Amino acid sequence: NAGVTQTPKFQVLKTGQSMTLQCAQDMNHEYMSWYRQDPGMGLRLIHYSVGAGITDQGEVPNGYNVSRSTTEDFPLRLLSAAPSQTSVYFCASSLNRGQPQHFGDGTRLSIL
Amino acid sequence: AQSVTQLDSQVPVFEEAPVELRCNYSSSVSVYLFWYVQYPNQGLQLLLKYLSGSTLVESINGFEAEFNKSQTSFLLRKPSVHISDTAEYFCAVGTSGTYKYIFGTGTRLKVLA
Repeated sequence: NAGVTQTPKFQVLKTGQSMTLQCAQDMNHEYMSWYRQDPGMGLRLIHYSVGAGITDQGEVPNGYNVSRSTTEDFPLRLLSAAPSQTSVYFCASSLNRGQPQHFGDGTRLSIL
Repeated sequence: AQSVTQLDSQVPVFEEAPVELRCNYSSSVSVYLFWYVQYPNQGLQLLLKYLSGSTLVESINGFEAEFNKSQTSFLLRKPSVHISDTAEYFCAVGTSGTYKYIFGTGTRLKVLA
């Protein structure tokens, strides 16, 4: 049982480039979310999804897009990378509302 | 807007000493409360959860948490810490009627030999 899998683990981008962070879960969880973790700021919610075809914005959605075409996958797209998006990104999933989240190992992203 | 506060950003403690990590939240509705632990270069792992029922919650590795509704707090405790408990601890809150979870800014626990 792999849980929540994030790829890549590390990535360096130049300002203006675009890329997609991948997230997949094999637990048939309805709820998935993306967070960014920055020093001293905890985890901030970027986007979340409550099921296939349903997404919504979190606390810091600007500069990011998401889609949820299947229950398993929830990719995060950076449209035009900026240095302010340098961060560690975590994907998480949970079975339902109020249930604990399962986290991936994170993607460390540096924007030069 | 709901907020979660972990006032202690760093807590140094000697091995085998007790520790308390504090978490306060602002919400007037029913909440779900969680403590997560993050070891270096890893994702977050669930340590404890409070969904309903008894206000005292225990985990399998010696931690316990106490929910206090009147003080809107969720206190994490361990009576005797080990070097291996050195990690960052995050409190998270979810409220009924929403799928969103709000995280605190974390507390770095450093256990000293």
